[in-house]
Amino acid sequence: GAGVSQSPSNKVTEKGKDVELRCDPISGHTALYWYRQSLGQGLEFLIYFQGNSAPDKSGLPSDRFSAERTGGSVSTLTIQRTQQEDSAVYLCASSLERASGEQYFGPGTRLTVT
Amino acid sequence: QQQVKQSPQSLIVQKGGISIINCAYENTAFDYFPWYQQFPGKGPALLIAIRPDVSEKKEGRFTISFNKSAKQFSLHIMDSQPGDSATYFCAASESYNTDKLIFGTGTRLQVFP
Repeated sequence: GAGVSQSPSNKVTEKGKDVELRCDPISGHTALYWYRQSLGQGLEFLIYFQGNSAPDKSGLPSDRFSAERTGGSVSTLTIQRTQQEDSAVYLCASSLERASGEQYFGPGTRLTVT
Repeated sequence: QQQVKQSPQSLIVQKGGISIINCAYENTAFDYFPWYQQFPGKGPALLIAIRPDVSEKKEGRFTISFNKSAKQFSLHIMDSQPGDSATYFCAASESYNTDKLIFGTGTRLQVFP
C-alpha cells in the first residue's frame, strides 16, 4: 500500500515568508508526528497528533510554528515569518495507533530559507 | 534526561565485517528502542526494535543487544554489505506516554568491498 507522502519535496523561500508543508499519513493510521532534521543532525520531535486528543506540541521551537490535522488524516505544518535557521528537512511519520511503537516516515520536505 | 547519546559518529567497515553502533540513554521511563536506517534523500526506515523485557533481538543480519542496568543498547550488523552503507539512528520513546521518538545523532556507516 501507499506509504506516508509529503509535499512539496523541496521548498525554497525568502526569509520572512510563511510556508506550509503537507503530510498524508498511511490510511488508517491514527497517530501522526512531525520531526525536523537539520544538516548532519539527528531528528528533533516537533508535534504529535493522536486521534481526537489534544496534540503534544512540546517540541515546537517557537510560536512561529504551528500544525493542524484535519479530519484525522492530512496534516499541515505552518512556519510563519521563516528564518534561515528554519532551513532543514521536515519529516512526517505515522503509526497505526499510539503505543504501537512503529512509526513510518515520509520522504520529507527540504526547506531552504534564503 | 531526554537525551539519547549515539556513537560513533562515523564507521568504516570492510565487506563481511561486523558493524557495531552504540547508544546510551538516561530516562528510565523509555520502553521502546528502535533503530532506523536512512539513505540519502529518503526518510528513515524502521530496521529493528526492542523492548526492555528482552536482552537481545535478532532479525537476519541485524541484532539489537540491550542492557537495561547500564541503560545502553547497540546495533550489530553481521556480514556487512556495501548496500548497508547508510546513516543509522537509534531512538527511544515512552510508548505508553507520548510516543514521540527521541533520536540519537546518527552514525554514518560506509561498507567497502
